[in-house]
Amino acid sequence: DGGITQSPKYLFRKEGQNVTLSCEQNLNHDAMYWYRQDPGQGLRLIYYSQIVNDFQKGDIAEGYSVSREKKESFPLTVTSAQKNPTAFYLCASTPRREGPDTQYFGPGTRLTVL
Amino acid sequence: AQSVTQLDSQVPVFEEAPVELRCNYSSSVSVYLFWYVQYPNQGLQLLLKYLSGSTLVKSINGFEAEFNKSQTSFHLRKPSVHISDTAEYFCAVTNSGGYQKVTFGIGTKLQVIP
Repeated sequence: DGGITQSPKYLFRKEGQNVTLSCEQNLNHDAMYWYRQDPGQGLRLIYYSQIVNDFQKGDIAEGYSVSREKKESFPLTVTSAQKNPTAFYLCASTPRREGPDTQYFGPGTRLTVL
Repeated sequence: AQSVTQLDSQVPVFEEAPVELRCNYSSSVSVYLFWYVQYPNQGLQLLLKYLSGSTLVKSINGFEAEFNKSQTSFHLRKPSVHISDTAEYFCAVTNSGGYQKVTFGIGTKLQVIP
């Protein structure tokens, strides 16, 4: 089955540690996105990538980093510079780089920083 | 710039009653509108979308939404809700041309009461 996988589903880390969230898609989609979801705030865009080896900052990129070395993979690193990293993180993809496409979401990773 | 307003953070409704979830948007250019649904601890799934053509769009599970340009609204309706409709619903907007940044509303939690 085609889709987006995110791992792990739950992640616990100590304050000050970097952590990397995995996102893989086998849909052959060009563009990929990372969102952060907090209660009462909807989804906020962290980073997006329209093509391999290129990515752009979203609205809340500070304290996060990404890479796009392969079309199917878009990992997100939450660094110690992120002041409040505890949240639900969602990865998404769209078929094309541009145009009003449906976003396809993964199941999410819930990160808790202790 | 574009924005989305979902005025109701929570909507309780009895089973088999009708429901309307409100969504208003603002944008200086033409827009495309989406409703996504999120079940607990899962990613978002597309419910329905308006890209062009008929202003009334429908989903396979009985929801419908009407694009009203003069009122800048895209309200979601269902004539008779089921327990299984209990979820959080997000309205989203993107505009024409180039990279499609999607702006999400804060979400409306629909609680269907038996």
